[in-house]
Amino acid sequence: GQNIDQPTEMTATEGAIVQINCTYQTSGFNGLFWYQQHAGEAPTFLSYNVLDGLEEKGRFSSFLSRSKGYSYLLLKELQMKDSASYLCAVRDWGAGNMLTFGGGTRLMVKP
Amino acid sequence: DSGVTQTPKHLITATGQRVTLRCSPRSGDLSVYWYQQSLDQGLQFLIQYYNGEERAKGNILERFSAQQFPDLHSELNLSSLELGDSALYFCASAPGTSGQETQYFGPGTRLLVL
Repeated sequence: GQNIDQPTEMTATEGAIVQINCTYQTSGFNGLFWYQQHAGEAPTFLSYNVLDGLEEKGRFSSFLSRSKGYSYLLLKELQMKDSASYLCAVRDWGAGNMLTFGGGTRLMVKP
Repeated sequence: DSGVTQTPKHLITATGQRVTLRCSPRSGDLSVYWYQQSLDQGLQFLIQYYNGEERAKGNILERFSAQQFPDLHSELNLSSLELGDSALYFCASAPGTSGQETQYFGPGTRLLVL
């Protein structure tokens, strides 16, 4: 099976930087995804990592260390609209290549 | 807008009833995935179809079933509904079934069982 852990809630200030961590245990790692989900809405794709290192996309970056079973999502220049849940999801060969989602981190951005 | 459509948007029904949720994937996508999201469980994978055939099963109850039609739209059937089945049901689509593809989610169907 898989175990995906991320903090339940975080709070940050508008304009600041926040890092959301995700740790996972898998039998056959095959990629890690980050999704953003506003309350009651669909998850929207943010980033994908399959190799170690940093992937940058505008204000959002995602980092992966496969040896440590660790990823983070970095959000810069926070805006109020970034208040949402951030879901870490892992694809595992050992689980039929399906995506398993963590419980999500609810981020509140305050003025 | 992801290009994935789901109907209905909201559904209210009673315990013991049966409902059908519908999903149309993005143009060109052959894979459809169904997920359930409840407050205490997070996003749970239910089942995947690829080009009309069942490809993978997750935590799907025996009371639930799905199918994918020749035009690639999919339906999720939920029967003998219980209060605990109240949740958001999402479908997602992807071009194929390899490990690298991103899944794009529809807007979801909010099911309330009373």
